Amino acid sequence: QVQLQESGPGLVKPSQTLSLTCTVSGDSIRRGVYYWSWIRQHPRKGLECIGYVFYSGTTYFNPSLKSRVNISLDTSKNQFSLELASVTAADTAVYYCAGAKGFCSSSSCLNRRFDHWGQGSLVTVSS
Amino acid sequence: QSVLTQPPSVSGAPGQRVTISCTGSSSNLGADYDVHWYQQFPGTAPKLLIYGNDNRPSGVPDRFSGSKSGTSASLAITGLQTEDEADYYCQSFDSSLSGVVFGGGTKLTVL
Repeated sequence: QVQLQESGPGLVKPSQTLSLTCTVSGDSIRRGVYYWSWIRQHPRKGLECIGYVFYSGTTYFNPSLKSRVNISLDTSKNQFSLELASVTAADTAVYYCAGAKGFCSSSSCLNRRFDHWGQGSLVTVSS
Repeated sequence: QSVLTQPPSVSGAPGQRVTISCTGSSSNLGADYDVHWYQQFPGTAPKLLIYGNDNRPSGVPDRFSGSKSGTSASLAITGLQTEDEADYYCQSFDSSLSGVVFGGGTKLTVL
């Protein structure tokens, strides 16, 4: 069973870079099965996909965050990481890492299905 | 404003049937992209509940079912139980945004 665990600072100052790491167990991120993803949830709000990366190098970043986001893989540690630059109070949220599978319709395989989730990590942006 | 629109809340009595709608557009549900549903209890991560419109992962009771038609999808819960009280989210892909999109979520209250 794939398990994911987020780690990183719970408090980040405005204008700094938010950095989180997700440690994966039960599967190798090099196996090329999952898109390794970050999703966030603002307080008492819905879910927002930040982006994901595939072992081959394929990436997707939410257009609203693209200029500030990077997601990278560390295959030696079976981890993947999120960096979000120039944060503001609006970036305060619970950040989830997740493993997503590609999901095909009759016309494309662009959809994703988030099969496995970490427990979430609350990050507060405040001075 | 979410790309996929869900009612903020629904409620029902134990044993009843409730449905949660998810309304999209021609660039997501209407473009033949499937919908997935997630269940989230307070303070916990979402859990995949329905995938590919109407499929249940192993372990999900058959009281939960999904459907999709055109630009709309629905999650139905029959034989409502108190432990079903949670938030429910729909999710799909949007070709205009070129990315995954979620509904705003629906809070289910079991009266």
